[in-house]
Amino acid sequence: EVQLVESGGGLVQPGGSLRLSCAASGFTFTTYWMSWVRQAPGKGLEWVANIKEDGSEKYYVDSVKGRFTISRDNAKNSLHLQMNSLRAEDTAVYYCARWRGSNIDYWGQGILVTVSS
Amino acid sequence: DIVMTQSPLSLSVTLGQPASISCRSSQSLLHSNGYYYLDWYLQKPGQSPQLLIYLGSNRASGIPDRFSGSGSGTDFTLKISRVEAEDVGVYYCMQALQTPITFGQGTRLEIK
Repeated sequence: EVQLVESGGGLVQPGGSLRLSCAASGFTFTTYWMSWVRQAPGKGLEWVANIKEDGSEKYYVDSVKGRFTISRDNAKNSLHLQMNSLRAEDTAVYYCARWRGSNIDYWGQGILVTVSS
Repeated sequence: DIVMTQSPLSLSVTLGQPASISCRSSQSLLHSNGYYYLDWYLQKPGQSPQLLIYLGSNRASGIPDRFSGSGSGTDFTLKISRVEAEDVGVYYCMQALQTPITFGQGTRLEIK
């Protein structure tokens, strides 16, 4: 059974940093692109970043470029999102997601990040 | 960036009746491989999104055949032939043709 379990969320002050992790299991992690997708409270879905199977390609939405870094540890079947210079508008539930070709076929349960003083 | 526009933004449907959601993209979603890179997701209350339809018209594993997707170019439609209580939630279209990946605003379906 495919499982994606996020951790590392919480309350952080504006300008602070947080590192999200996603533990993947039930599939061959090294053969899938992975993503982070977020959802602000009461709002829609927003794609944040993608990373290729071997980590050689990474893509970001403009609003997080230069502040967020997506990475993966294929030896540990884990996905990460390092978030720096956090802003109030980064407050959201962050989902770890698996890509199967052209679509996201599995989503984690999500982890809440709150940026507030 | 490709802008995705859904309509309507909310839908109230009687059980057993059909429902239809439109999704329009600001540019064609046709990939060079001949497929349309348009997916549909449903986010049920309190849950993570789940894949319903991929590549415009293919039902994901385990999705009932009352759900169907169609369309081409920039115009796509999700249809539910007979709405059931478990279909309540917010429906999103998403384009995966190019980054940034973008979603529609979402369409909230409720039972009348």
